[in-house]
Amino acid sequence: AQSVSQHNHHVILSEAASLELGCNYSYGGTVNLFWYVQYPGQHLQLLLKYFSGDPLVKGIKGFEAEFIKSKFSFNLRKPSVQWSDTAEYFCAVRTTSGTYKYIFGTGTRLKVLA
Amino acid sequence: EAQVTQNPRYLITVTGKKLTVTCSQNMNHEYMSWYRQDPGLGLRQIYYSMNVEVTDKGDVPEGYKVSRKEKRNFPLILESPSPNQTSLYFCASRLGDSGGYTFGSGTRLTVV
Repeated sequence: AQSVSQHNHHVILSEAASLELGCNYSYGGTVNLFWYVQYPGQHLQLLLKYFSGDPLVKGIKGFEAEFIKSKFSFNLRKPSVQWSDTAEYFCAVRTTSGTYKYIFGTGTRLKVLA
Repeated sequence: EAQVTQNPRYLITVTGKKLTVTCSQNMNHEYMSWYRQDPGLGLRQIYYSMNVEVTDKGDVPEGYKVSRKEKRNFPLILESPSPNQTSLYFCASRLGDSGGYTFGSGTRLTVV
């Protein structure tokens, strides 16, 4: 069955540190890839998405993600985090054939220390 | 403002008492979904709908029902709630195959 793995469950960084959150998926076909952010007490919001073309995609708030097909990965990065980036981050994968599933990872809680 | 509206935001109920959580979107999106969010488990899809009168089970459909009689509305029905359905529920919608989901604000349900 298709799955999405986010191996870092909790990450603590100081302000200005660089961020990389891992996301790996298991599916042999073509996928669409997404990162969502959930600020404390709020609903999920779309950060960025990848459908095709340049594997390096830029999203809102200075986030970017790189799709590496050979590694089935879509890692989220930000060069310099801010206290306001404290949130939970979810990777999601949508398969483009078969059952057309839209699957979320279990999330990574990021805490940024001021 | 484009949004997904869920009601209620908070609900405490007793085991076995039927309840409905409403969801409405004003973006003319075809796809709508219900997810539940539990600590350590992320978001799990309960049901989804590809258009009016077209619904299908997600990963955890047991104990839930949905209907899609109009494009904008996608209510979630718990016919006989049980304590293991205590969770945070999100409704979401998206436009066709190319969109990311727009989420509602969530409904925190407690079944005692």
